[in-house]
Amino acid sequence: DGGITQSPKYLFRKEGQNVTLSCEQNLNHDAMYWYRQDPGQGLRLIYYSQIVNDFQKGDIAEGYSVSREKKESFPLTVTSAQKNPTAFYLCASSTLGQGVNYGYTFGSGTRLTVV
Amino acid sequence: AQSVTQPDIHITVSEGASLELRCNYSYGATPYLFWYVQSPGQGLQLLLKYFSGDTLVQGIKGFEAEFKRSQSSFNLRKPSVHWSDAAEYFCAVAGGSNYKLTFGKGTLLTVNP
Repeated sequence: DGGITQSPKYLFRKEGQNVTLSCEQNLNHDAMYWYRQDPGQGLRLIYYSQIVNDFQKGDIAEGYSVSREKKESFPLTVTSAQKNPTAFYLCASSTLGQGVNYGYTFGSGTRLTVV
Repeated sequence: AQSVTQPDIHITVSEGASLELRCNYSYGATPYLFWYVQSPGQGLQLLLKYFSGDTLVQGIKGFEAEFKRSQSSFNLRKPSVHWSDAAEYFCAVAGGSNYKLTFGKGTLLTVNP
């Protein structure tokens, strides 16, 4: 079945470390997104990509980096510059343009905790 | 810029009671509107969507929503709530040149037995 796979489900990071969250989709979607979720804050967009080798900053990109070398993959790196990285991270994908009327498909998330 | 407001942070209803979750959006043209549901520690599941046509849309799990352009609203309803409906619900709007989704902050639904 088609879908989005995020790994790992739980991730622990020490202060000063960079960590990378994986997101893979087999839906043949052109667009992919990373959201951060904190209690009471809803979903906030970190980065998005609509085409391979191109991506744009979202509302809270500072301290994060991404790459889009393959259509299927959109990994997110949480760098040591991110001051408060403990959160639930969600990856999503969609078709482009008016195809968004089908909605986004979400992965099951990665919970990152700084220890 | 588009935006979504969900006025109720937390709603508690009794099992079997009716439910209405409110959503107001801001967007200059006809938007694409969505409701998603999230169980604890999980991703988001699409309940229903509106982008044209009949303003009353039916979704999964017995949910429906009505688009009211004059009120800039897209409220979610269910006639009889089940305990398994307890979750967080997010309203979202898509529009603009890149059709990105903007989410509200969510409404947490608690269902009492």
